[in-house]
Amino acid sequence: DAGVIQSPRHEVTEMGQEVTLRCKPISGHDYLFWYRQTMMRGLELLIYFNNNVPIDDSGMPEDRFSAKMPNASFSTLKIQPSEPRDSAVYFCASQGIYNSPLHFGNGTRLTVT
Amino acid sequence: AQKITQTQPGMFVQEKEAVTLDCTYDTSDPSYGLFWYKQPSSGEMIFLIYQGSYDQQNATEGRYSLNFQKARKSANLVISASQLGDSAMYFCAMRGPTGNQFYFGTGTSLTVIP
Repeated sequence: DAGVIQSPRHEVTEMGQEVTLRCKPISGHDYLFWYRQTMMRGLELLIYFNNNVPIDDSGMPEDRFSAKMPNASFSTLKIQPSEPRDSAVYFCASQGIYNSPLHFGNGTRLTVT
Repeated sequence: AQKITQTQPGMFVQEKEAVTLDCTYDTSDPSYGLFWYKQPSSGEMIFLIYQGSYDQQNATEGRYSLNFQKARKSANLVISASQLGDSAMYFCAMRGPTGNQFYFGTGTSLTVIP
């Protein structure tokens, strides 16, 4: 079991640039979550998918953020244009069945200068 | 509204002693799940233990146990025989009350002193 795989591990970009974060969930998991972690706000749920369909995107901060899941093995979180306040660690997590634990990737540390 | 509350920003414990990390939650849904995660300084999120709202017994996993008091809406994590490797941030999380969202507390930083 390879676990949840996120790429890149670190991303440094300039304000205004587009950023794309990638996630490969654990095979067979039906749910996929995107979280953002900052010192000020802790762990925030941005969006989650069930069977590739977005179920709740109420945590997406604004229209600059978008997430897609084109198939069961891949999801992206895109920020366009990026701003310094988007600097955070972004986690992807997958879940096998309802109410089972989330399995997290190692996160992407994003720095926007 | 705050759904998960962890009131201890930082805790210290002597090696080999037991420590309790507090967590209270707020929900009116009778069906929910409570989870604890560990985040070491390396940053990954590690699942530790789960308690379902209908479970009659407190969950245990090795040195971890969950002191579940449903009427008080608390789900405290107990770590027995602390080890230096237990030094980390610990997060309490709740699934629900509606949908499959997981809400996390602000975390408790645990430092184990040799």
